[in-house]
Amino acid sequence: QKEVEQDPGPLSVPEGAIVSLNCTYSNSAFQYFMWYRQYSRKGPELLMYTYSSGNKEDGRFTAQVDKSSKYISLFIRDSQPSDSATYLCAMTTTGRRALTFGSGTRLQVQP
Amino acid sequence: DGGITQSPKYLFRKEGQNVTLSCEQNLNHDAMYWYRQDPGQGLRLIYYSQIVNDFQKGDIAEGYSVSREKKESFPLTVTSAQKNPTAFYLCATPSGTTNTGELFFGEGSRLTVL
Repeated sequence: QKEVEQDPGPLSVPEGAIVSLNCTYSNSAFQYFMWYRQYSRKGPELLMYTYSSGNKEDGRFTAQVDKSSKYISLFIRDSQPSDSATYLCAMTTTGRRALTFGSGTRLQVQP
Repeated sequence: DGGITQSPKYLFRKEGQNVTLSCEQNLNHDAMYWYRQDPGQGLRLIYYSQIVNDFQKGDIAEGYSVSREKKESFPLTVTSAQKNPTAFYLCATPSGTTNTGELFFGEGSRLTVL
């Protein structure tokens, strides 16, 4: 079983929709949680970072962490065609040398 | 501008050949990482280096080798021993000043074995 599970999609939504992307994980020691956005043939770029449980908002993006359920989410409001990309969740804990990534969810926002 | 430069962007290799992917950073960061990305599998860690002249194996190091002779450079060699080398290779370095795991990635190198 993978440490981090993520639905690969693709997820297709109309422009303006609210998008919900999710990951589940099995390692209760994870405490730093990230969402990366990756456009086709490009390197991933950090979108959101959250420490421990709670919510974090940045413009149209909201990241949620529920450590009790080992579940993290990324919400995109008023989705735009430019949001079409693969979204990767990633997480780690103090002492780990590198991030553990989900497999990524491909999102398509239709104009 | 500060950042990570990976080259080449695209590379074709015949079976049985070694190939070296370049990763250069001008961010003055100590740590550097190499990840491999396959469709539907996310990113998997190949090797990482926390400091010059030191590096550690990641989860899928077999068939790969690295060196870290200079702080700004961390080349990855894909050897002929790597059974399935066709993939997208990403180099990264920590993006924050705190040790919280955030990574800054290069643009990647796509290797195709013919």
